Amino acid sequence: AQKITQTQPGMFVQEKEAVTLDCTYDTSDPSYGLFWYKQPSSGEMIFLIYQGSYDQQNATEGRYSLNFQKARKSANLVISASQLGDSAMYFCAMREGQGDYKLSFGAGTTVTVRA
Amino acid sequence: DSGVTQTPKHLITATGQRVTLRCSPRSGDLSVYWYQQSLDQGLQFLIQYYNGEERAKGNILERFSAQQFPDLHSELNLSSLELGDSALYFCASSERQGAKNEQYFGPGTRLTVT
Repeated sequence: AQKITQTQPGMFVQEKEAVTLDCTYDTSDPSYGLFWYKQPSSGEMIFLIYQGSYDQQNATEGRYSLNFQKARKSANLVISASQLGDSAMYFCAMREGQGDYKLSFGAGTTVTVRA
Repeated sequence: DSGVTQTPKHLITATGQRVTLRCSPRSGDLSVYWYQQSLDQGLQFLIQYYNGEERAKGNILERFSAQQFPDLHSELNLSSLELGDSALYFCASSERQGAKNEQYFGPGTRLTVT
């Protein structure tokens, strides 16, 4: 079974607007971490934001925020005030357990920011 | 710049050949992970090393092997290459301490098998 599901293959957003990228996950482990990574066309993977399963507050990092709904097993990424440089592929990933364990990735969502 | 380095950046080789991909983790990171990104399989975990020892194995083919050396750099060896092995291979590292344990990725090695 898929551990991470990203249902939006591609999205368009106007510059300066906000965009929400969906991510749902599946795990029976009570301790887990959720991550978002950005992959520009150049190919590198850039860590954006992290949410732990026990964190009470939604994570925020600059223009990135994570809408964490534990009961629904969703961890949507919100990018506010989109910029042209935000055009990239975005991956949601999960680490099961507390520690240095592997990441399971979703299929990714391509975001294209229009001027 | 994540601090993780990978060489070479690009590699073109023929079927049946063997190649070695090299990774140097961020300073102080003891855990190294290898991932494969291909169009049909997406991003898949291959193998993890911690301080020189294999810690976890994922969907790694028997033709592939890896190791982590005392200076903590790691190598991924791919042998008897097939067309389907063409992919972007990432190395990542993490420090293992703390709750977050985010993994920092290198720039990747793009392998093309012809």
